[in-house]
Amino acid sequence: DIQMTQSPSSVSASVGDRVTITCRASQDINSWLAWYQQKPGKAPKLLIYAASSLQSGVPLRFSGSGSGTDFTLTISSLQPEDCATYYCQQANSFPRTFGPGTKVDIK
Amino acid sequence: EVQLVESGGGLVQPGGSLRLSCAASGFTFSIFNMNWVRQAPGKGLEWVSYISSSSSTIYYADSVKGRFTISRDNAKNSLYLQMNSLRDEDTAVYYCARGTTVTVYGMDVWGQGTTVTVSS
Repeated sequence: DIQMTQSPSSVSASVGDRVTITCRASQDINSWLAWYQQKPGKAPKLLIYAASSLQSGVPLRFSGSGSGTDFTLTISSLQPEDCATYYCQQANSFPRTFGPGTKVDIK
Repeated sequence: EVQLVESGGGLVQPGGSLRLSCAASGFTFSIFNMNWVRQAPGKGLEWVSYISSSSSTIYYADSVKGRFTISRDNAKNSLYLQMNSLRDEDTAVYYCARGTTVTVYGMDVWGQGTTVTVSS
């Protein structure tokens, strides 16, 4: 199975700051990586697919990059509504696996 | 409106069974692959199972293999998860999630979740 790791586990930043989250796969997953945002008590929401493609309706301040084993999610200017936990997920093979999550909050 | 609505969760004793349902609306259910994903209290997301649009391809997480069965009824726009031999560690919110049209793109529509509690 492909193991996914994320760093940091949590980040606290000010409104307007640039926030970067890293995700690493235990083996090459090409560009088949998705990012999800989950707010407390809510279902996850797809933000990015295929490592860098923005899902329809997602604000342009979100972006993704990477391929192979190393990926990043960047929030270019953090907004209060971005407080959430962010998960990466590999879609290259089954079983699908998620990273442990990164909690983002406002300083 | 594209929507997935789960039902069937509840309290069950260890070793018991439960059947979850997911009703789809607002899209052509029969052409989409579907998934179940769960989240234990205070924990991260765990993928549970996948079924292709025609039910020809099915996968399970090792943690549920042999105990859970995924199925679907395209005529009823419904997805199911039969859970047998339930364990304490199966306690979680269970989400159904639609696979994107390109399988490797992820899961683009999620239900609100249904809570399963396994406890004596």
